[in-house]
Amino acid sequence: GNSVTQMEGPVTLSEEAFLTINCTYTATGYPSLFWYVQYPGEGLQLLLKATKADDKGSNKGFEATYRKETTSFHLEKGSVQVSDSAVYFCALSALTGGGNKLTFGTGTQLKVEL
Amino acid sequence: DSGVTQTPKHLITATGQRVTLRCSPRSGDLSVYWYQQSLDQGLQFLIQYYNGEERAKGNILERFSAQQFPDLHSELNLSSLELGDSALYFCASSSGRGRTEAFFGQGTRLTVV
Repeated sequence: GNSVTQMEGPVTLSEEAFLTINCTYTATGYPSLFWYVQYPGEGLQLLLKATKADDKGSNKGFEATYRKETTSFHLEKGSVQVSDSAVYFCALSALTGGGNKLTFGTGTQLKVEL
Repeated sequence: DSGVTQTPKHLITATGQRVTLRCSPRSGDLSVYWYQQSLDQGLQFLIQYYNGEERAKGNILERFSAQQFPDLHSELNLSSLELGDSALYFCASSSGRGRTEAFFGQGTRLTVV
């Protein structure tokens, strides 16, 4: 079946540091890939997406490139802020048995300190 | 605001009871998903509906059931509640066509005491 593996957290960084959160996936067919962010006490928000190989999704300074050869979709940001502290989820959407449910990784908590 | 509305936001109930969680999808979305988020299990997919019909099933207990009504809102029914059912329950919606993203509601926090 489909699965998403992302790096364990929590990740603690100083403000303005470079961020990488690794994500790899296993899927049949050609999935779409997503990063969601969950701020404390809130629901999941779509951060960025990519629908085919070599696509780069970007939003709010975050980027991720769909790498089919390495089945990866790593999240990066050049300079994090305290306001980026949240839990980040990597996810994929693939057509399976008539449905297209999203499969999520376990989430990576990011803490950014001054 | 994602456009997905969940009610109630908080629910406290006793073991053995039954509750109903409600979800209104984004305007135009035909598909609704239910997820359970707990500290030890992460985000677990429960069930998906598309235009009133069950489309995919995940780790949903037999004590739980869901349905999607003609107006496309959905309800998740949880019965014979146990302490371990305490969690955040999220509803999400999408167009349901292709490999599209889903948009999440704010969730219902269920506490079973």
